[in-house]
Amino acid sequence: EPEVTQTPSHQVTQMGQEVILRCVPISNHLYFYWYRQILGQKVEFLVSFYNNEISEKSEIFDDQFSVERPDGSNFTLKIRSTKLEDSAMYFCASSRGQNSNQPQHFGDGTRLSIL
Amino acid sequence: QQPVQSPQAVILREGEDAVINCSSSKALYSVHWYRQKHGEAPVFLMILLKGGEQKGHEKISASFNEKKQQSSLYLTASQLSYSGTYFCGTGGLRSNTGKLIFGQGTTLQVKP
Repeated sequence: EPEVTQTPSHQVTQMGQEVILRCVPISNHLYFYWYRQILGQKVEFLVSFYNNEISEKSEIFDDQFSVERPDGSNFTLKIRSTKLEDSAMYFCASSRGQNSNQPQHFGDGTRLSIL
Repeated sequence: QQPVQSPQAVILREGEDAVINCSSSKALYSVHWYRQKHGEAPVFLMILLKGGEQKGHEKISASFNEKKQQSSLYLTASQLSYSGTYFCGTGGLRSNTGKLIFGQGTTLQVKP
């Protein structure tokens, strides 16, 4: 069964550095998402992306964050000037359709640890 | 507005049943249910759309009461593999971006 893949599985970075989290969505999916989960807490929406544009972003997704689809398969989340509070699990998800009546399939996540 | 899940935690013996509720103060278009095991990704279980439908997935089913703005997840004859944290994610009426707002989760532990 096709799945969303994320790399790396764990990223350790010094505070203030930039990180890029990578995702390969399911191949026939057109809509992509990033979510964040701080340890022990709920899953939080960051951003949705379609047709090379951001569809919606949350208040968490400020100027420190950016997303990109650099080629036909990858979907990346860049975090500039990382802060301690950026430490979390970051999940990429994809769906065939954009409406909230479409299932979103999650990758295994990248655990980001900021030191 | 974050949906509210209840209860926060459930401990069951194998074979027992459980109900997890997800309530919203805003009008709902859809409710997504996910199960997440410790250290793993959320796994999609099912979507309920407005219209009060009920769906089933093995021994796990769910209902959506549009009037009450509430969805319930029913786990019958629970198995050890059902253990994990269950999240509901809600999509609003006007959401055409796929944004889901998740509840705080319900931790289910099934004991032998």
